[in-house]
Amino acid sequence: QQQVKQSPQSLIVQKGGISIINCAYENTAFDYFPWYQQFPGKGPALLIAIRPDVSEKKEGRFTISFNKSAKQFSLHIMDSQPGDSATYFCAASKGTYKYIFGTGTRLKVLA
Amino acid sequence: DTGVSQDPRHKITKRGQNVTFRCDPISEHNRLYWYRQTLGQGPEFLTYFQNEAQLEKSRLLSNRFSAERPKGSFSTLEIQRTEQGDSAMYLCASSLSASYNSPLHFGNGTRLTVT
Repeated sequence: QQQVKQSPQSLIVQKGGISIINCAYENTAFDYFPWYQQFPGKGPALLIAIRPDVSEKKEGRFTISFNKSAKQFSLHIMDSQPGDSATYFCAASKGTYKYIFGTGTRLKVLA
Repeated sequence: DTGVSQDPRHKITKRGQNVTFRCDPISEHNRLYWYRQTLGQGPEFLTYFQNEAQLEKSRLLSNRFSAERPKGSFSTLEIQRTEQGDSAMYLCASSLSASYNSPLHFGNGTRLTVT
């Protein structure tokens, strides 16, 4: 019940395309859903986060869509750029500590 | 805001040796967390502190692991009698209390290799 399932494991997108990464959770007590971006040799950096009282949150080219009834949320990267090539992790938590992370999606954006 | 700082960045040790890592959180953050990340996986929660009090420890944290945060500032994570399975990236993060407006900020980690 503590798991967060993330897919796909890897993703290749053309420059300018849309990258979509999906996550699903089981614990209905989770109430905070952040996405982190990690480059090789670096720690994860917060990209965008959402709480379950909204269905969508947009920040620049990054959008989180949240479906509370399905217990699913997704990250959309619009106009994907080669600089977006990184590993993306979704996470879920009750409150803002003890994040449960997904297994990660390695994104490669082709120039 | 100088970010979360971790030292050393890399550590190679022989099985059976003890190692200690240090984390300096963002100065005004009162919560500090340790996570472990193995290759191809997401970070896994190990433990967290609010000020100097260690409030929760994961079952992943065997009795060979100990963490401290004296005076509620920097923290150390010690692994005694290291095993090859301890090889991983050890990440430290900090945040300002339990506010939703203060998510976890991660350092760049300490990569441990046990030979």
